Amino acid sequence: AQKVTQAQTEISVVEKEDVTLDCVYETRDTTYYLFWYKQPPSGELVFLIRRNSFDEQNEISGRYSWNFQKSTSSFNFTITASQVVDSAVYFCALSEAGAGNNRKLIWGLGTSLAVNP
Amino acid sequence: DAGVTQSPTHLIKTRGQQVTLRCSPKSGHDTVSWYQQALGQGPQFIFQYYEEEERQRGNFPDRFSGHQFPNYSSELNVNALLLGDSALYLCASSSDRGKLFFGSGTQLSVL
Repeated sequence: AQKVTQAQTEISVVEKEDVTLDCVYETRDTTYYLFWYKQPPSGELVFLIRRNSFDEQNEISGRYSWNFQKSTSSFNFTITASQVVDSAVYFCALSEAGAGNNRKLIWGLGTSLAVNP
Repeated sequence: DAGVTQSPTHLIKTRGQQVTLRCSPKSGHDTVSWYQQALGQGPQFIFQYYEEEERQRGNFPDRFSGHQFPNYSSELNVNALLLGDSALYLCASSSDRGKLFFGSGTQLSVL
């Protein structure tokens, strides 16, 4: 069965610190997608990144970077020079990559990040 | 370009009642998925609609039902409400594999 584990329930940092959010997944599929979403207090889930299981290149987008390691089934997310606006709950998710429009996502429990001024 | 819109924002019901939640997908999107998010938890997949048919369903009882209209908008119906149904209900739309866009959700409280 598919499973996503985010071991860090809550993280608190001071502004400008770097912070890494961990995500470990389990799946028997050879092809799958991994995601990170941000959920601010408003409740709306904001898409951050999608990664295909065949693409193990790390990705950087501004202050955000992602480290995908298939060997350890991990997809970690790092925020560099954190800002107060980064405070939110961050979710890692996994989906099958079957035919058609199958987009059922399996979610971790989320990591609540508090960035303090 | 409007994103995913959901109504109502908040709803209070009592046990045993029925509720209907509504979702309009992002322009150009044809697939709608519904998720339930309990407090402090990750979203749980309820079901997905495409071409007005339920394509996939999560582990939810038959009390949870849905519908998709020709304009791709969707409704989620929950019958015989239980206290445990209290949660944030999120609608997501997509047209590309895997990239979901979410609405702000409907906060349902069952008393």
